[in-house]
Amino acid sequence: KNEVEQSPQNLTAQEGEFITINCSYSVGISALHWLQQHPGGGIVSLFMLSSGKKKHGRLIATINIQEKHSSLHITASHPRDSAVYICAVRSGSGSQGNLIFGKGTKLSVKP
Amino acid sequence: DGGITQSPKYLFRKEGQNVTLSCEQNLNHDAMYWYRQDPGQGLRLIYYSQIVNDFQKGDIAEGYSVSREKKESFPLTVTSAQKNPTAFYLCASSLSRLYNNEQFFGPGTRLTVL
Repeated sequence: KNEVEQSPQNLTAQEGEFITINCSYSVGISALHWLQQHPGGGIVSLFMLSSGKKKHGRLIATINIQEKHSSLHITASHPRDSAVYICAVRSGSGSQGNLIFGKGTKLSVKP
Repeated sequence: DGGITQSPKYLFRKEGQNVTLSCEQNLNHDAMYWYRQDPGQGLRLIYYSQIVNDFQKGDIAEGYSVSREKKESFPLTVTSAQKNPTAFYLCASSLSRLYNNEQFFGPGTRLTVL
């Protein structure tokens, strides 16, 4: 079983729809990251969370430490949001563990 | 502009040849990382370096080697001992590995071994 599981694997949405991508993990963590990978391959960090909720523009990330679960929400989705979204956790109670990555969720937003 | 550069973007090599992938950063970051990405899999850590002249093996270091002679540079050599080298390679850096710092990623190098 993978230590970081994302769902769904693939997601197609119409422009304007509200999108949710889920991430569950099975290890103790000190932080969780959401990353965005564009078709060219480059990766951008979106959020780093250790508790609660963060918002940046149309993106919202939440984490529930007790349930070992995080969600990434995109409001009013747009074709430029089409990318692979990757969840990664830093394992361990300290902050020296390596990042463990999920396999990613491929999002396609149609106009 | 501050950032991470990787070159080349695409690289083709014959089986049995060593190849070195370049990674340079001008963010003044202490920590640097090399990851490998294969289709349908999450990123996996090959090597990391916390400081100049220091580096540690990650989860899949076999068949790879690195050096960290300068703070800005962390080249990765894919040796002929790597059984399946064709993959997308990403370099990243962070202020420090000791804290939950954001990692900044380069654009990646796609290596194809023929």
